[in-house]
Amino acid sequence: EVQLVESGGGLVKRGGSLRLSCAASGFTFSTYTLNWVRQAPGKGLEWVSSISGGSTYIYYADSMKGRFTVSRDNAKNSLYVQMNSLRVEDTAVYYCTRDLPYAHGMDVWGQGTTVTVSS
Amino acid sequence: EIVLTQSPGTVSLSPGERATLSCRASQSVSSNYLAWYQQKPGQAPRLVIYGASSRATGIPDRFSGSGSGTDFTLTISRLEPEDFAVYYCQHYGSSPRWTFGQGTKVEIK
Repeated sequence: EVQLVESGGGLVKRGGSLRLSCAASGFTFSTYTLNWVRQAPGKGLEWVSSISGGSTYIYYADSMKGRFTVSRDNAKNSLYVQMNSLRVEDTAVYYCTRDLPYAHGMDVWGQGTTVTVSS
Repeated sequence: EIVLTQSPGTVSLSPGERATLSCRASQSVSSNYLAWYQQKPGQAPRLVIYGASSRATGIPDRFSGSGSGTDFTLTISRLEPEDFAVYYCQHYGSSPRWTFGQGTKVEIK
């Protein structure tokens, strides 16, 4: 079964740091571009970051540039995002997702991990 | 930056009725890169339509997508109880890489 499982969420103070992980199974991990997508409480979906299969291409949403760092370990079938200088507005459920080939959409989503940034 | 505007914000329908959801892009986009997602409370989103009109794996044929240029539509031909949810459109671009619409809630009338 194709699966993505996020972990690492929790409560952190404003200005703090957190590292989220996403464990993948059921597919050839290294051949897929992966993403982080977040959803603030009661709000819509917001793309955070993308990383290609070989980590050659990495993209960030403007509001995350310089604060978030995405990485992956293909030997461990794992995706990560290091989040620094966290703001209250970073409070959200963070989803790990897999791109369909040719960027047609995101066909696999994890269950999400919740990050709460307190003031 | 392309902005996706979905309408209506909320639509109230009864089971068996037809739902027509709109997604309008601020500039012309390739239909290859337009997708729709369904999200139920407390769950992760699920891909429904990709490439504007192709159904994702496991999606029933009452769901259909259409459109081109700046105007795209998700149609649910006959609403089943499990279809009541929030639907998001999404576009792949250069910067930002992925953009989502604000969502349309399909609620039971």
